[in-house]
This record gives sequence, structure tokens and C-alpha cells, in this order.
Amino acid sequence: EAGVTQFPSHSVIEKGQTVTLRCDPISGHDNLYWYRRVMGKEIKFLLHFVKESKQDESGMPNNRFLAERTGGTYSTLKVQPAELEDSGVYFCASSQTGHSGANVLTFGAGSRLTVL
Amino acid sequence: QKEVEQDPGPLSVPEGAIVSLNCTYSNSAFQYFMWYRQYSRKGPELLMYTYSSGNKEDGRFTAQVDKSSKYISLFIRDSQPSDSATYLCAMSKSGGSNYKLTFGKGTLLTVNP
Repeated sequence: EAGVTQFPSHSVIEKGQTVTLRCDPISGHDNLYWYRRVMGKEIKFLLHFVKESKQDESGMPNNRFLAERTGGTYSTLKVQPAELEDSGVYFCASSQTGHSGANVLTFGAGSRLTVL
Repeated sequence: QKEVEQDPGPLSVPEGAIVSLNCTYSNSAFQYFMWYRQYSRKGPELLMYTYSSGNKEDGRFTAQVDKSSKYISLFIRDSQPSDSATYLCAMSKSGGSNYKLTFGKGTLLTVNP
């Protein structure tokens, strides 16, 4: 079974530019999540998709961040315009539906974003 | 006060040692307690999770949860160099928001041959 795939692995952009991160979840996983780790801080939740619908975007920092999941398959996270404080590692995770107990998330390797 | 506190280390031990990693938390609503292992340039990988209080063992790994003290631990027996990684504790509430994990900062562990 292929894992969660993220692209690019590392992106270096200048302040004010736009970056789009992509995540391919595990096939058949309806739930897709974005998390972020800013340097020196904990990994923090950004948002949750169920299929193509945003279920919870309470962790999105501001309106410069836009996440989409057209067709309920892969997802993109766009940052426009990027600011210095957006630098960090963006993790995507996915999980199956129907779990009454713990929600077992499988994480990708992350996309490292550096804003200069 | 942070919801989850974890000593970032680093922690360096000789091969074969027993390793103890721990986290404290402040939110009594947390019901699921997880330990993730993260190798350099990789994503977090779930090691094990525990529901509510109690112990859980999986091979050389034992997870303990003490809800009365709001304290969780991960023990690694007979540690190996391949155990060298960052260990992250994570917690979530039960029910519909069980996907929203609250992480500790992670503890960097090095097991020396």
C-alpha cells in the first residue's frame, strides 16, 4: 500500500510569492488533514477534509492560506502571498472513515517551506 | 500554559538501555494518547496509542497513561541504534474531534552503539 505522498519536499520562495503544496492521500482514505510545524513549535492542526468537503478549518492561520480537495482525491494547500512566518514543515495525513475509536492518521513526509 | 508539555531533550543513551519518555498535559478532555516516532526528513509514524488510563505493551515498547496525574510515558526496553529518532506524544479527545491531534514538541533520542 502506497503511503501519503507530498510534493514538493522542499520549496524556497521569496516573501510575497505564491506556493502550492500537494498531497496524495492513501487510496480509499476519505479523511485528509493538513498539519504544520513552525520551527521551534509543536505540530499543529490546520484543517480536515472529508472527501471534497472541508469539515474543520479552525486551524488555518489566516486567509492567505487556501486548501482544496477537488474530486475528493488529492489536496492542495496554497499560500498567497507568503510571509516569513509561514516557513515550516507542512504535513498531510489521511485516515479511513468509520472508526469509532482512535482515529489513526498516517502522515506524509512533509513539505518544507522556506520563505526568504 | 501549553496543553501538552514534552521535554525536547536531547536524550543520549547506550545501546541496550531502558529509555523513558514522557509528557504532561493540562486538558482533562483528552482520551486518546499516542506516541509517534519521526526519523529525520520523514513524517511522524504511529507507534502505539492508548485509550484512557492504563498500560499497553507492543514488543519492546510500553505506553502508560495516568489520567489522575495527567502524565503519559513511553518506555523502550533494550534500546537499539535504530530507535534513534524524535518521539512525539500526541493526544485527542474522543468523538467527532478525535482527528484533531495536540502534539508535544518531541524528544530527540540517540541510542549509541
